[in-house]
Amino acid sequence: LAKTTQPISMDSYEGQEVNITCSHNNIATNDYITWYQQFPSQGPRFIIQGYKTKVTNEVASLFIPADRKSSTLSLPRVSLSDTAVYYCLVGAAGNKLTFGGGTRVLVKP
Amino acid sequence: EADIYQTPRYLVIGTGKKITLECSQTMGHDKMYWYQQDPGMELHLIHYSYGVNSTEKGDLSSESTVSRIRTEHFPLTLESARPSHTSQYLCASSDPHSTDPDTEAFFGQGTRLTVV
Repeated sequence: LAKTTQPISMDSYEGQEVNITCSHNNIATNDYITWYQQFPSQGPRFIIQGYKTKVTNEVASLFIPADRKSSTLSLPRVSLSDTAVYYCLVGAAGNKLTFGGGTRVLVKP
Repeated sequence: EADIYQTPRYLVIGTGKKITLECSQTMGHDKMYWYQQDPGMELHLIHYSYGVNSTEKGDLSSESTVSRIRTEHFPLTLESARPSHTSQYLCASSDPHSTDPDTEAFFGQGTRLTVV
């Protein structure tokens, strides 16, 4: 399984864009990149998944460069309710789901 | 909405008691997982299953055991609870048969276990 590295924490302010970069230098050809969000005392929730280039949904965008050795989750115009831990996972179908330490995002008023 | 349920939500129990944490999903998912998470800490995979009669140990050693007799049910059992087992236990499921990689997992609300 490809190991991922992401910042431990980030602070932001309401209305700003938050970008979290995840490094995965050993990503395999069949691996996809998936991001989850976890609020305190709740289970993680799927945000977005991608293989290459850019993926956008109603919640976030995911940017993946051509070499796929990193990816950036972009949260546009964050609000206080976006304060959470964000996890980057790399894997393929059939892999077990292993979470790393995640990035703790604090959105301030 | 995810249809995965964990009971109980909260459990306070004495040392030495046997406990079973229940996890059920109605989505027909083959893959199910148990995670252990302490407050403010990362999620640790302790058990997973690829389907009926399949169980595997996860990345973190655990004294708990699991069974998978039915697709929808994946209970976790502690034969003799100890204070060191105090934690939050999260159950999840995913569907490996979808066209996309099955890395989209759905999580239950968790069981917060306190052993006194």
